[in-house]
Amino acid sequence: KNQVEQSPQSLIILEGKNCTLQCNYTVSPFSNLRWYKQDTGRGPVSLTIMTFSENTKSNGRYTATLDADTKQSSLHITASQLSDSASYICVVSSFNAGKSTFGDGTTLTVKP
Amino acid sequence: DGGITQSPKYLFRKEGQNVTLSCEQNLNHDAMYWYRQDPGQGLRLIYYSQIVNDFQKGDIAEGYSVSREKKESFPLTVTSAQKNPTAFYLCASSQRGRVADTQYFGPGTRLTVL
Repeated sequence: KNQVEQSPQSLIILEGKNCTLQCNYTVSPFSNLRWYKQDTGRGPVSLTIMTFSENTKSNGRYTATLDADTKQSSLHITASQLSDSASYICVVSSFNAGKSTFGDGTTLTVKP
Repeated sequence: DGGITQSPKYLFRKEGQNVTLSCEQNLNHDAMYWYRQDPGQGLRLIYYSQIVNDFQKGDIAEGYSVSREKKESFPLTVTSAQKNPTAFYLCASSQRGRVADTQYFGPGTRLTVL
């Protein structure tokens, strides 16, 4: 069964600090991995997409990494801001399934 | 202003009533999706459509129905057969419905059954 597991479930950091969110998956065969940011009560917004051949991709202060051998991805947030407070969702797609498997998300709270 | 709109933002329903959630997109996307999100859980696929007049069941289709009569519209009906309908409902669209296509989400509708 295709699964996506994210850790930690929740995280609290101080403004200006860095943090790293983890995503482990068992989806096979792998097509791509996306990170989404979801503000409370809003729809998710895509941050990055990574395919098998990519091992790092940046979007401003967000940097995603992918290790296709160990089936792990991370999302690193640099110099956090209050507006980074949100849920971050890892989504992995498989060619066979034709659809995507969503992780439960990590809730990040940035405090002043 | 392009994007996906969902209405209403909040919806209250009495037990035993059917209710329809609206989803409209002006991105000219072929594929549209409905997801359900419960607190602390990942999104679960209810239905998806890759072309007008065609749609497929997702992982949790029981108690829901959809139609796709127009490319830009994909309404979801939550029927009285859905045992636990209180949730946050998200509509999304993508260009062709391929796994490589990014899904763009609407702002969501929060349904509460009283």
